Amino acid sequence: EAGVVQSPRYKIIEKKQPVAFWCNPISGHNTLYWYRQNLGQGPELLIRYENEEAVDDSQLPKDRFSAERLKGVDSTLKIQPAELGDSAVYLCASSREDRSGQTQYFGPGTRLLVL
Amino acid sequence: AQSVTQLDSQVPVFEEAPVELRCNYSSSVSVYLFWYVQYPNQGLQLLLKYLSGSTLVKGINGFEAEFNKSQTSFHLRKPSVHISDTAEYFCAVSEGNYGGSQGNLIFGKGTKLSVKP
Repeated sequence: EAGVVQSPRYKIIEKKQPVAFWCNPISGHNTLYWYRQNLGQGPELLIRYENEEAVDDSQLPKDRFSAERLKGVDSTLKIQPAELGDSAVYLCASSREDRSGQTQYFGPGTRLLVL
Repeated sequence: AQSVTQLDSQVPVFEEAPVELRCNYSSSVSVYLFWYVQYPNQGLQLLLKYLSGSTLVKGINGFEAEFNKSQTSFHLRKPSVHISDTAEYFCAVSEGNYGGSQGNLIFGKGTKLSVKP
């Protein structure tokens, strides 16, 4: 079974530029999550999708961040414009509703550096 | 609100020694508990999880953890560590009922395990 796929793995941009991250979840997983992991910290949830619906985006900074999950499969997270403080690792995870308690499986992450 | 406290930010240990990584949580409802491991420049990999039943949970790579409801703890242990166990370990909690914001993971800040020869 293929894992969660993310691209790109690394991205360096200048502040005020836009950037986008892509995630392909595990096949059959209807729930998709985007997390941000700052240096020395644990991941923090940005947004959670159930199929194509964003069911929890309370922690997403909506002035500059946006996300979409068309057709309930792949997802894209966008930042426009990027700020220095957005430098972090952006992790995508997926899960499905079953007796495993919705165990989340993580991708390798995209490491963003804003200069 | 839920929270997770990992009491040690760094744990140095010699190879083949036992190790315990501590985790305490706070929640007003029943919880699911998880330990994830993160190797350098990689995503998080599930080590083990507690959903219900036996409070002693065994995971991959020889790790185990014990759920203690009265002490709200979920400490991770391994009787003999290897160099390859050097990584960062994250404890996480989610509410025990599916739906809405329940199921979202709240992570601790992580514990860096450094195994020395």
